[in-house]
Amino acid sequence: DAGVTQSPTHLIKTRGQQVTLRCSPKSGHDTVSWYQQALGQGPQFIFQYYEEEERQRGNFPDRFSGHQFPNYSSELNVNALLLGDSALYLCASSSSGQGRNSPLHFGNGTRLTVT
Amino acid sequence: GQQLNQSPQSMFIQEGEDVSMNCTSSSIFNTWLWYKQEPGEGPVLLIALYKAGELTSNGRLTAQFGITRKDSFLNISASIPSDVGIYFCAGRFNFGNEKLTFGTGTRLTIIP
Repeated sequence: DAGVTQSPTHLIKTRGQQVTLRCSPKSGHDTVSWYQQALGQGPQFIFQYYEEEERQRGNFPDRFSGHQFPNYSSELNVNALLLGDSALYLCASSSSGQGRNSPLHFGNGTRLTVT
Repeated sequence: GQQLNQSPQSMFIQEGEDVSMNCTSSSIFNTWLWYKQEPGEGPVLLIALYKAGELTSNGRLTAQFGITRKDSFLNISASIPSDVGIYFCAGRFNFGNEKLTFGTGTRLTIIP
């Protein structure tokens, strides 16, 4: 049973460029959340997708956008990259059917470096 | 964004020692979670707490949900080399609301 898979594992982009990160949730999970983890910090919530819609959003600018597909996989897009966007981007999935006891399962992340 | 206050920031201990760390928040949470993260990997859930005052164990790990709902504690007994990593607390406000607010992390190093 595959867990949460993310691609690519590493990415180097130039300031001003756009990037797309991808996530496949754990089998049986229908909800995907994205977190940004800067070096030496805890993860920060970006947004959550359920039923192909953004259900909740953290304190991130509109340059950060996402999408969820019918198969529950998800993409995170970041436009007009800034140096400060360099971070580990984590995808986490969970099952809406488990209610409050649904733990988040994290992928190993995509390390984005903006130069 | 908001991060929970976690202490200590780092710990250097010898194998076999017990470890204690805690996490505090200015806001109330209805769920407290403890995760461990190793280099190159995402956080892995260790313990979940759902009720104020709850004390839950997972092997050598024991965590408590503070009675005020604003803090939580994690203890590791008889540490072993594989305990090395960064430990994060995380709080969740609403049941079914899966947004997590993470702590700043405690880095655990075991001295040979």
